[in-house]
Amino acid sequence: SYVLTQPPSVSVAPGQTARITCGGNNIGSKSVHWYQQKPGQAPVLVVYDDSDRPSGIPERFSGSNSGNTATLTISRVEAGDEADYYCQVWDSSSDHYVFGTGTKVTVL
Amino acid sequence: QVQLVQSGAEVKKPGASVKVSCKASGYTFTSYGISWVRQAPGQGLEWMGWISAYNGNTNYAQKLQGRVTMTTDTSTSTAYMELRSLRSDDTAVYYCARGALGLRVDYWGQGTLVTVSS
Repeated sequence: SYVLTQPPSVSVAPGQTARITCGGNNIGSKSVHWYQQKPGQAPVLVVYDDSDRPSGIPERFSGSNSGNTATLTISRVEAGDEADYYCQVWDSSSDHYVFGTGTKVTVL
Repeated sequence: QVQLVQSGAEVKKPGASVKVSCKASGYTFTSYGISWVRQAPGQGLEWMGWISAYNGNTNYAQKLQGRVTMTTDTSTSTAYMELRSLRSDDTAVYYCARGALGLRVDYWGQGTLVTVSS
């Protein structure tokens, strides 16, 4: 089955840039979606189709995808960005969705 | 606005079944599917399956095949997820979420905690 690997944690100072990676075999050929989940809350879509943002999501959130790695970038990090982030793809070989292992972003 | 409102928390004994509901509003129910995703305590997100609200077609995660059934009631714009033969490791928050199969999930329910304990 298809596996998506994320770093368990990323720490960043306020105002700096956080980069969260999502590794998978030839992930560049798939559409990657990213979700933010704060404690006790449901996930929220922050980036879809590699780099598009839903309405209401700040431009500080951006995404890219190439080769074996997709990346979610959070610019000018704020305290409110502290959350768990998950990547997701559709695996057409199994007709299943796959979530990444999740990354906890800590704002120092 | 789009809303998915789920039923309340459940406590079940091992071997029992649970049925969680997800009532949709703010959009045409039959124009999208519903995915079900669960999250065990302190763990990541696990996709359970998807159902088309248009024609009832389903796609279940392989590990849950035979124990899970997803249905919809278009007259009330409600989706249901039933999980049978519950085990302690089924203890989790269960989410419903809107999306077409293979595409992004864009709206989520608030989650339903299911606790399996003797």
